[in-house]
Amino acid sequence: QQQVKQSPQSLIVQKGGISIINCAYENTAFDYFPWYQQFPGKGPALLIAIRPDVSEKKEGRFTISFNKSAKQFSLHIMDSQPGDSATYFCAATPTGNQFYFGTGTSLTVIP
Amino acid sequence: GAVVSQHPSWVICKSGTSVKIECRSLDFQATTMFWYRQFPKQSLMLMATSNEGSKATYEQGVEKDKFLINHASLTLSTLTVTSAHPEDSSFYICSARDVRQETQYFGPGTRLLVL
Repeated sequence: QQQVKQSPQSLIVQKGGISIINCAYENTAFDYFPWYQQFPGKGPALLIAIRPDVSEKKEGRFTISFNKSAKQFSLHIMDSQPGDSATYFCAATPTGNQFYFGTGTSLTVIP
Repeated sequence: GAVVSQHPSWVICKSGTSVKIECRSLDFQATTMFWYRQFPKQSLMLMATSNEGSKATYEQGVEKDKFLINHASLTLSTLTVTSAHPEDSSFYICSARDVRQETQYFGPGTRLLVL
């Protein structure tokens, strides 16, 4: 059973556009929600993370929006660049336990 | 950010041999490390959770006698693929949890090819 559902599976965005990736969860015990970026042949790198006590967190061009009542969170990449082309994974965890990862979204930013 | 290293970054071995992969947290202590396997264009599949000083906890379907995990110190965990076969060829990634920040940091991965 997939604990975290991620969509879309793949995404193509024009340079300068906004990339949006969505995740949903059911387990209300989850209280930490990170996003990871993975380039081919590399390990995932932590991009940004949020806790449910805030509805939004922004770091540079990357923003997480969090809707606790809907049990959904999303990653927004503003002014998308070709260098952002990678696979993005959302994750969720109850503090102190294992992480549950989404299935990943392959983002392609075309010049 | 915290740094996790893996060694080797890639390995080619003959079928039947054993391969050891090291995972180190370089600038923080990790009481818990995780081992994942990733197939091309797929998500991370958790294989086992490794706690320092105790036996690893394996996920359902993962053979503990084939994938030996040792977490001898707060900065080092090893995964040994015993009697490797071609179907074990994959990308193996470790991660370490920084207890101060409650997040996981991933290593760069090890590409294993069994001939």
